[in-house]
Amino acid sequence: QSALTQPASVSGSPGQSITISCTGTSSDVGGNNFVSWYQQHPGKAPKLMIYDVSNRPSGVSNRFSGSKSGNTASLTISGLQAEDEADYYCSSKRSSSTLAVFGGGTKLTVL
Amino acid sequence: QVHLVQSGAEVKKPGASVKVSCKASGYTFTDYYMHWVRQAPGQGLEWMGWINPNSGGTNYAQKFQGRVTMTRDTSISTAYMELSRLRSDDTAVYYCARDRIQLWLRTEFDPWGQGTLVTVSS
Repeated sequence: QSALTQPASVSGSPGQSITISCTGTSSDVGGNNFVSWYQQHPGKAPKLMIYDVSNRPSGVSNRFSGSKSGNTASLTISGLQAEDEADYYCSSKRSSSTLAVFGGGTKLTVL
Repeated sequence: QVHLVQSGAEVKKPGASVKVSCKASGYTFTDYYMHWVRQAPGQGLEWMGWINPNSGGTNYAQKFQGRVTMTRDTSISTAYMELSRLRSDDTAVYYCARDRIQLWLRTEFDPWGQGTLVTVSS
């Protein structure tokens, strides 16, 4: 089963905003609201940044926001900072025997 | 504070098995589903399956069925993932990750263990 589709890379300058897309199907992203986003710095474990499409866990900056339209979810980071440079992964619950699926990951570069 | 602490790195030969542990602390172990996710070098995240620590029930991704076994020991709040018939493409960092909400399977992972590198090489 294919992973969710994310752009391989995005970039932006400090202070700018960027958006990362995550495209799935009606069996995953489009079929439920259990879409989440993870930040991963090199050599570190992933960290939950967004859950239930658009909710932030306690302690995550409000510069991070999530949304969904149809089969595509999006992560927006506003006011880019150097520390935001990392890999970002989306994930969704899936209505099949493979219950969860990740996107291929997007490398964010802060110029 | 919730913590997941995994066992150390392993080097295995092709055809062997590996068993990775994940010790939980800071919460009631049996109240949250536990997932296993792996990441091959330079690659993305791949979900492997979950275990219900209360019942011991499991669900595995189709790709791993027949090769993976997830178990738990509630007396020491530890989950285990055993992968058999290892191949070179099983070389990866293996993570345990707790489901976010108590008693609910949402496949939203928080927190994560620190990861265990498993290297498969002859």
